[in-house]
Amino acid sequence: AQSVSQHNHHVILSEAASLELGCNYSYGGTVNLFWYVQYPGQHLQLLLKYFSGDPLVKGIKGFEAEFIKSKFSFNLRKPSVQWSDTAEYFCAVNNFNKFYFGSGTKLNVKP
Amino acid sequence: GAGVSQSPSNKVTEKGKDVELRCDPISGHTALYWYRQSLGQGLEFLIYFQGNSAPDKSGLPSDRFSAERTGGSVSSLTILRTQQEDSAVYLCASSSTSLGTTEAFFGQGTRLTVV
Repeated sequence: AQSVSQHNHHVILSEAASLELGCNYSYGGTVNLFWYVQYPGQHLQLLLKYFSGDPLVKGIKGFEAEFIKSKFSFNLRKPSVQWSDTAEYFCAVNNFNKFYFGSGTKLNVKP
Repeated sequence: GAGVSQSPSNKVTEKGKDVELRCDPISGHTALYWYRQSLGQGLEFLIYFQGNSAPDKSGLPSDRFSAERTGGSVSSLTILRTQQEDSAVYLCASSSTSLGTTEAFFGQGTRLTVV
């Protein structure tokens, strides 16, 4: 079955710690990849996206993600998190115009 | 409009009543999606529209759920005879597919509570 897997459901970090959230997908062929973020009380917003080209993509607020085709992965990273990064993060794949989302990772950054 | 607009933002209804949720996508976006977000769960796909057609409605949980889109714009999601398990946040998103798919833009959602 087609799926998007986020292995970390809840992550707790201290400020300035490095972050890596895993995302794996099971679709073959060409896919478009996304990370969305949902801050408390707010709607889902795009963090970054990958369509083609350089597999290392940079997004807003210092986030980046690397597409590794051989591993079907699109992990999200940030070298130094801030308290304001506390949010829920969703990985998504677009395949044939349909967006498939992972179950989300709740990030709690302690000040 | 400037963004995806959903109404109402909150809805409390009694079990057994029908509800209609509305989504007004970004102007010009041909694709429209409905998702459901339950507490502690991810985003559950419900239905996808391309224009007024729904090529994929595989995510609708039961025949109590239906959706339509008119004029290639506004969409409504109707839930008949609501049940407590229908309580969730219902999210609408739209995207442009004219030059290949772009990202999905989400509305604020409708929080449905069935009591």
